[in-house]
Amino acid sequence: EAGVTQSPTHLIKTRGQQATLRCSPISGHTSVYWYQQALGLGLQFLLWYDEGEERNRGNFPPRFSGRQFPNYSSELNVNALELEDSALYLCASRQDRHEQFFGPGTRLTVL
Amino acid sequence: RKEVEQDPGPFNVPEGATVAFNCTYSNSASQSFFWYRQDCRKEPKLLMSVYSSGNEDGRFTAQLNRASQYMSLLIRDSKLSDSATYLCVVNTLDSNYQLIWGAGTKLIIKP
Repeated sequence: EAGVTQSPTHLIKTRGQQATLRCSPISGHTSVYWYQQALGLGLQFLLWYDEGEERNRGNFPPRFSGRQFPNYSSELNVNALELEDSALYLCASRQDRHEQFFGPGTRLTVL
Repeated sequence: RKEVEQDPGPFNVPEGATVAFNCTYSNSASQSFFWYRQDCRKEPKLLMSVYSSGNEDGRFTAQLNRASQYMSLLIRDSKLSDSATYLCVVNTLDSNYQLIWGAGTKLIIKP
């Protein structure tokens, strides 16, 4: 069974640009979570989507947004990039109330 | 007070030793409990779920004390490959089963 996939693996942008990150959950999983992990720091919860709807949002500005598609894949958009947005962005999927499974992440570098 | 608290470490432990991690959580309604492992610059991976009666998987033993809102992870006969950050995770009905993550405890096994 394929795991959670994310693309791209690496992304380099400049300040003020927009970034789009993509995630495909494990087949059968309807919930997708997005996390930001800056270098040396813990996971910071960004967004949770389930059945196509945003269920919860972490303490991040509105320029962080996303959506979930009918096939349960998801997109994270970051507008007006700032240097401090440089981080590993992790996507996780979950079925029902069980544990989350993570993708390998997208490493975003903002120059 | 953080919802899930862990000693950040690092714990520097000689190979072959036994090491224990502790974690406390603030929400008495927490229902599911997990330990994840995260290697440097990689995604977190589920190490084990934690059951009320305690459970063991090879060299790893997890314990849960609901009355004290405390869980632990014991690693026996530690290996160099055990070096990683160990994350304590809980979920609760209050948060609609969203996982709440500890910041992690860093473990360094020395030869």
